[in-house]
Amino acid sequence: NAGVTQTPKFQVLKTGQSMTLQCAQDMNHNSMYWYRQDPGMGLRLIYYSASEGTTDKGEVPNGYNVSRLNKREFSLRLESAAPSQTSVYFCASSEGFVTVYEQYFGPGTRLTVT
Amino acid sequence: KQEVTQIPAALSVPEGENLVLNCSFTDSAIYNLQWFRQDPGKGLTSLLLIQSSQREQTSGRLNASLDKSSGRSTLYIAASQPGDSATYLCAALPNDYKLSFGAGTTVTVRA
Repeated sequence: NAGVTQTPKFQVLKTGQSMTLQCAQDMNHNSMYWYRQDPGMGLRLIYYSASEGTTDKGEVPNGYNVSRLNKREFSLRLESAAPSQTSVYFCASSEGFVTVYEQYFGPGTRLTVT
Repeated sequence: KQEVTQIPAALSVPEGENLVLNCSFTDSAIYNLQWFRQDPGKGLTSLLLIQSSQREQTSGRLNASLDKSSGRSTLYIAASQPGDSATYLCAALPNDYKLSFGAGTTVTVRA
């Protein structure tokens, strides 16, 4: 099992460009999450999908959109990138919603917006 | 809003010493608390998850305790090894289901 995979691993964008970060899991998990990690600030939740067909805002959703394409895949879209979105983005999944189950993380996407 | 704090931000110990990592949270109404390990340039690996009804969890050399009333969790790593060098993060799950992370403690175990 590959676990949680993310593409791309690295990306450089110019301000105003758009892109989609892809995430897939092969563990048959129901719930998926997107986080960003910034130095000294820990991880912050952007969006989550408790189950296929549902998505909800997290702590810092502004400037992002998500799509739960199917049970396996959960994508994060930046419509008009800004330098403040320079960060490391992590996708995670859990068997059920997070109250009981531990989360499994992907390797991350390092995004720089110039 | 749940605030999670980890002190110290960095720790350096000689091999064989026991490690004690601290995590504090402001809202005691949590569903669970989870400890993660992060290696440089990598994602997070879950170490232990403690449900709100539990007082501790153990896995091998790792033991984590939870005291909701005081808003504290402690991760103990026995007989540390150089391979334990990493950043350790704790995360508390409050009533709004939005997992709140601390900034982490970076551990260096010297051979």
